[in-house]
Amino acid sequence: SQQGEEDPQALSIQEGENATMNCSYKTSINNLQWYRQNSGRGLVHLILIRSNEREKHSGRLRVTLDTSKKSSSLLITASRAADTASYFCATDAGTGNQFYFGTGTSLTVIP
Amino acid sequence: NAGVTQTPKFQVLKTGQSMTLQCAQDMNHNSMYWYRQDPGMGLRLIYYSASEGTTDKGEVPNGYNVSRLNKREFSLRLESAAPSQTSVYFCASSDIGEGYTFGSGTRLTVV
Repeated sequence: SQQGEEDPQALSIQEGENATMNCSYKTSINNLQWYRQNSGRGLVHLILIRSNEREKHSGRLRVTLDTSKKSSSLLITASRAADTASYFCATDAGTGNQFYFGTGTSLTVIP
Repeated sequence: NAGVTQTPKFQVLKTGQSMTLQCAQDMNHNSMYWYRQDPGMGLRLIYYSASEGTTDKGEVPNGYNVSRLNKREFSLRLESAAPSQTSVYFCASSDIGEGYTFGSGTRLTVV
C-alpha cells in the first residue's frame, strides 16, 4: 500500500495540553498533507508540506517532515475541546497530485 | 459559498441497482477525485481526473466508472451495486501541489 500510517490510532488528552500525532510512509514523496475530520463530516485541509521543507506552522499547528526517516508529525499546541476530531496524513507517493490517506488518529480533548 | 457540492447526501440501493453520484466544484480547480471511506480503512482513491477530459484509476476502481463532464463536474457511477460498495463517498478537487477541498460526502448503503 502507498498510504501513510498514523500513530497512535487514538489519543486522549486534557484541554490545554499539546497533542502530537505521527505519520510514517513508504515511498518518496513530493508533498505531504494533514487533514482534520469531525465526526460525520468531510475532511478539512490543515497543512501541506513539500519534500524540501522541514517544518511548517499554521496558528496552533506545527508540522515537521523528515524525508530521511519517511515520517512526519503534527503538533497541536494548547488543545481545545473543539480540536476533538480524526486527523489524517496523506502522501502523494511522488505523483504530485494523487494523495493516499492513512487510517487516521482519533483525538479526544477532554474539557 | 465556494466549495465542492455532492449529491445525494444519503442513498439506499438494492443489490444490482445502479446509480450516479454527482460532484461539482466552483473553485476552477483542474483536478478532481473520488474517494471511499470505510471504518478502519481510511480513505481510498477510486478514480481521479487530473484535468478536464482525462480520467485515471486509483487504488480501488473495480465496480465503478467516472465521467468528467466538464471542468466543474465529476460523476461516479455504480453500474450494479454490491453490498461491498456500502461506504461513505467523498469527492474532492484541487490544483496540482495544493491541498484538497472535500465535499461533505454521500452515505451509501447497499442491501
